[in-house]
This record gives sequence, C-alpha cells and structure tokens, in this order.
Amino acid sequence: EAGVAQSPRYKIIEKRQSVAFWCNPISGHATLYWYQQILGQGPKLLIQFQNNGVVDDSQLPKDRFSAERLKGVDSTLKIQPAKLEDSAVYLCASSAQRQGLEQYFGPGTRLTVT
Amino acid sequence: AQRVTQPEKLLSVFKGAPVELKCNYSYSGSPELFWYVQYSRQRLQLLLRHISRESIKGFTADLNKGETSFHLKKPFAQEEDSAMYYCALTTFTGNQFYFGTGTSLTVIP
Repeated sequence: EAGVAQSPRYKIIEKRQSVAFWCNPISGHATLYWYQQILGQGPKLLIQFQNNGVVDDSQLPKDRFSAERLKGVDSTLKIQPAKLEDSAVYLCASSAQRQGLEQYFGPGTRLTVT
Repeated sequence: AQRVTQPEKLLSVFKGAPVELKCNYSYSGSPELFWYVQYSRQRLQLLLRHISRESIKGFTADLNKGETSFHLKKPFAQEEDSAMYYCALTTFTGNQFYFGTGTSLTVIP
C-alpha cells in the first residue's frame, strides 16, 4: 500500500512569511496527526483529526498555526506568520483508528525560517 | 510536564552485546506505551507496543508500572539495529501522544 505522502519536502522562508504543508494519509485511515519535531527533540503532537473533525489541538499555537482536513482525507497545515522558532520538521501520520494503534508516518517537511 | 523521559541521547554497544534503552514515563492513569524507530534515511515506524507483548526483531519491552518504566531490550545487538529510538505514550482516551527525546543507538562491528 502507498504510504503517507507529504509535500514539500523542504521549505526555506523568511520570518513573517506564510507557509503551508500538505499531507495525504494512507487510504482508509480515519485519523490524521500533525507533529512538530525540533532538532534534538522528539515529535510533539500539534493536532489530531478523526475524519474531518478535530480531536485535539491543545498543543497547536492557534495565533499563527492552522490546520484543516475538509473532506476527511488530505490535510494542510499553515503557519502565518512564521517565526524563527518554527524551524523544524513537520511530520504527518495516519492510523486506521484513533486509540492506541500504529501510526504510519510520512517523510516530513523540513522548514527553515531565516 | 515531561511525560516521557529517555535519559540517554547516545548509546553505543558492540555487536553481540546486550542492549537496553531506557524509558521512564509520568502519567497517573493507564497509559499505552510504544517504541518507535527511525533508521537512517527512513521514516519513523512502530517497533513494538506493550499491549501486544510481541518480540520484534529480537527486541522486547516490559511495562513496569511500579517503576513507571518501559525499557527496550535486546540480548544480542546487531549492526542493523543502529538507529534512533523513541519511546512514546498515549493516554487512555487516545487524544494525546507524547514522545521522548530519543536515543541514538550505534552498534559497533
């Protein structure tokens, strides 16, 4: 089966600019996750979707970050405006069910904010 | 509050030697614990989870609720085990996932 797809793979922007990341989960997976992984740290969950509804976004900096999954399939994560501390790898993952099952990760998008 | 602690950022062992990657957690409820692995130039992937009690690639991990630990062990390390290992915890409701900072394991030939 095809894995989780993400694009772009790399992005370099200046601070205060906007950026968007795209994720296509594994077909049939109802749950989708966005993580932020800063260099030297583990992944940090930003937001979790179940189909097109938000399960948890308590760690999402909502003043600048937004995410949507309109049709319950693809998802986009946006940062507007970006700050230097947003430099990180943004990982998308999906799972067949929400609770306790295997998450399949995408390759990630490496964002550098200058 | 830090939910998952991996005290070793780097760990080196010789091929054939036993290996133990430490993971301690902080959670008052009944957590589910996982080990994820990332090999060089590959995606993060699940290695094992405590509820399945499986042995994957010779690795095992036992949940010790008294010590709040979920250490990953393998009796004889192989070169292909060299990778980044992350311990992770999910809450009972499954709404939150917490990853540790990871341990980079190098198996010396």
